[in-house]
Amino acid sequence: DVKVTQSSRYLVKRTGEKVFLECVQDMDHENMFWYRQDPGLGLRLIYFSYDVKMKEKGDIPEGYSVSREKKERFSLILESASTNQTSMYLCASTSRGQGSYNEQFFGPGTRLTVL
Amino acid sequence: GDSVTQMEGPVTLSEEAFLTINCTYTATGYPSLFWYVQYPGEGLQLLLKATKADDKGSNKGFEATYRKETTSFHLEKGSVQVSDSAVYFCALSENTGGFKTIFGAGTRLFVKA
Repeated sequence: DVKVTQSSRYLVKRTGEKVFLECVQDMDHENMFWYRQDPGLGLRLIYFSYDVKMKEKGDIPEGYSVSREKKERFSLILESASTNQTSMYLCASTSRGQGSYNEQFFGPGTRLTVL
Repeated sequence: GDSVTQMEGPVTLSEEAFLTINCTYTATGYPSLFWYVQYPGEGLQLLLKATKADDKGSNKGFEATYRKETTSFHLEKGSVQVSDSAVYFCALSENTGGFKTIFGAGTRLFVKA
């Protein structure tokens, strides 16, 4: 069974802390994505990566950075957490193979609360 | 730029009722269209997809038809169950270049027994 896993389901951090969210996929997918999900706003793309060590800004990259040192792992970093980063964070991956049509495979999400 | 608009929720139905969740899109190219479902406490999972005009995607009794002339991809199910209670997201992804998927805001469905 294909899988995208995220390091934590729930996380509570203090304002100003550095926060790491980890995502691992076992499908050998080239592309990986980080979204945040907020009520009424749907999913908003933070960053994505189409290859190891490559990254592209999404729609809301401010306050975030990412790291992709290995194909299967994509990390989201909050350099200095703020209360407005309290949200659900979802990781996803897609294959670039023909016929994939960019179907996204999602992890279970990390609910982050910043106090 | 590309966008997806879907009906606001929540939608509340009784078991065995007919479901429609409207979705319209704007796109510059020839996108693939998707419906994803998110059950409580979980990530999103693909429900169905259609990759070209007039295609019908179907799964678990849900259906949606890719209508290029009306730029729509409405989700339907003839008889909903309590277990269908979830949030439904309409989405599009361009087939040429780029890797991004654009999601609608989501529609929460409650089904009462």
